[in-house]
Amino acid sequence: DGGITQSPKYLFRKEGQNVTLSCEQNLNHDAMYWYRQDPGQGLRLIYYSQIVNDFQKGDIAEGYSVSREKKESFPLTVTSAQKNPTAFYLCASTPLTGPGDYAATFGSGTRLTVV
Amino acid sequence: AQSVAQPEDQVNVAEGNPLTVKCTYSVSGNPYLFWYVQYPNRGLQFLLKYITGDNLVKGSYGFEAEFNKSQTSFHLKKPSALVSDSALYFCAVRALNSGNTPLVFGKGTRLSVIA
Repeated sequence: DGGITQSPKYLFRKEGQNVTLSCEQNLNHDAMYWYRQDPGQGLRLIYYSQIVNDFQKGDIAEGYSVSREKKESFPLTVTSAQKNPTAFYLCASTPLTGPGDYAATFGSGTRLTVV
Repeated sequence: AQSVAQPEDQVNVAEGNPLTVKCTYSVSGNPYLFWYVQYPNRGLQFLLKYITGDNLVKGSYGFEAEFNKSQTSFHLKKPSALVSDSALYFCAVRALNSGNTPLVFGKGTRLSVIA
């Protein structure tokens, strides 16, 4: 079955460490997105990418970095500059063709905790 | 700029009663509107979307939503709630013909169905 795989499901980070969250999709979708979810704040966009080797900042990009070297993969690095990284991180994807009426497909998320 | 408001953080309903989860939106031009459901520690699952046409949209698990352009609303409804419907619900919007720009989400409404 096609879908989005996020790994790991749970991740623990020490102060000052960089950590990378994996997101892989086999849906042949062009666009991929990273959202951060905090209680009571909904989903906030971190970064998105519509084509390989190109990406744009979202609303809360500071302290995060991404790469898009392959269509299937869109890893997110949480750097030591992100002062409050404890959150639930969701990856999503959509096809790029069409007027924009496609629903996004989501992965099952990674819960990051600072210890 | 696009935005979504979900005015209720929490909705409680007795099993078997009808339920409504409210959503209002702001977008330039016509909208694409989406509802998603999230169970604990999981990703978002697509429920239904409004693209064009009939204002009453039917989706998964017996849910439906009514688009009201004059009130800029897209309320989620179900005639008879089940305990298993208890979850976090998100409304999202994207402007018509905006390609695959990222969805903008509301803050979510927690639905609790009481047996």
